[in-house]
Amino acid sequence: EAGVAQSPRYKIIEKRQSVAFWCNPISGHATLYWYQQILGQGPKLLIQFQNNGVVDDSQLPKDRFSAERLKGVDSTLKIQPAKLEDSAVYLCASSQNRVAGNTIYFGEGSWLTVV
Amino acid sequence: GENVEQHPSTLSVQEGDSAVIKCTYSDSASNYFPWYKQELGKRPQLIIDIRSNVGEKKDQRIAVTLNKTAKHFSLHITETQPEDSAVYFCAASNGAGDDKIIFGKGTRLHILP
Repeated sequence: EAGVAQSPRYKIIEKRQSVAFWCNPISGHATLYWYQQILGQGPKLLIQFQNNGVVDDSQLPKDRFSAERLKGVDSTLKIQPAKLEDSAVYLCASSQNRVAGNTIYFGEGSWLTVV
Repeated sequence: GENVEQHPSTLSVQEGDSAVIKCTYSDSASNYFPWYKQELGKRPQLIIDIRSNVGEKKDQRIAVTLNKTAKHFSLHITETQPEDSAVYFCAASNGAGDDKIIFGKGTRLHILP
């Protein structure tokens, strides 16, 4: 089965510029997650979707980050304007549904460097 | 909210020896505890998980134990091999409708020849 697809894999931007990441989850997975992983740390949940609705976005810096999941399939995560501390890997993940115990499958990640 | 602490941050063991990584969690409602392995530059991948109605689970050289009373769980890797070198993350989920999965900060495991 195809895995979680993400693009672009790598992006370098200057601070105050904007960037967008795209994610295509595993077919049939209702739940989609965006995690931020700073070098040397564990993944931190930014936002969680159930179909096209937001379940949790309490850790999303809403003044600069936004995310959407139109039609309940693909999702985009946008950062505008970017700050140096946004340099991280942005991991998209999906699972079949919200029931605890459903395995989360991660994409390869989008590596962002803000200079 | 849930908080997951993981120790140690770095662990070096001789090839063939055992490795143990420990995690504690704060939310007594957490009932699902997965462990992920992340090799350099790769995605985190699930290696084993345990639910709160089970005290121990084993899969070949990997085992996980759970102590609900003390709110801690551990990963045990026996007969370590070079390919076990990676970063390991524990996580906890409360399953209380929002099903957030909170990760620990990770343990970098080095297998020494």
